[in-house]
Amino acid sequence: EAQVTQNPRYLITVTGKKLTVTCSQNMNHEYMSWYRQDPGLGLRQIYYSMNVEVTDKGDVPEGYKVSRKEKRNFPLILESPSPNQTSLYFCASSLSSPTGFSNQPQHFGDGTRLSIL
Amino acid sequence: AQSVTQLDSHVSVSEGTPVLLRCNYSSSYSPSLFWYVQHPNKGLQLLLKYTSAATLVKGINGFEAEFKKSETSFHLTKPSAHMSDAAEYFCVVSVYNFNKFYFGSGTKLNVKP
Repeated sequence: EAQVTQNPRYLITVTGKKLTVTCSQNMNHEYMSWYRQDPGLGLRQIYYSMNVEVTDKGDVPEGYKVSRKEKRNFPLILESPSPNQTSLYFCASSLSSPTGFSNQPQHFGDGTRLSIL
Repeated sequence: AQSVTQLDSHVSVSEGTPVLLRCNYSSSYSPSLFWYVQHPNKGLQLLLKYTSAATLVKGINGFEAEFKKSETSFHLTKPSAHMSDAAEYFCVVSVYNFNKFYFGSGTKLNVKP
């Protein structure tokens, strides 16, 4: 089954304790992206990746890191989490970026709810 | 600059009545347009996408949307709401020149029995 898998689904942690949210897709997609969703703000892009070893900042990259060492995986790293990073996070992938083949939709994971105390 | 405006943050309809969720976009280039639905505790699921082949686009679960270039709109409609349609809906735009997708702030649809 084609899917985007995020882990963990829920995490409660404390300020400053490094954490990683994993994301994996099995569709051989080139483009992957991380979003955070906050009430009233919709989805905001954190980072995206055009392909292996190619990543770039989205709209709200501060406090986050990513890597793309393999095509299927795109982990999100919070080196020193703070309470303002408490949010619902989504990983998404698409066959190509908007600058590639047009009209390629994104496929989303089920989300990771992070609470940072 | 590209942007998406969903004109209503909340819409409430009765079961069996039509649904209209409004989306306007701003883009200097020809856009690709998408509607997604998000049910509680779930990720976003694609409802439909505008492919430029036809201005009226049909999607899953009886939804459709019409691309109106002159009005820069891509409103989502359904003739008859079902209780299972209660969810949050997002309008999304992408353009060829930029490596990102632009999201509206979402519309929560409530369906009353």
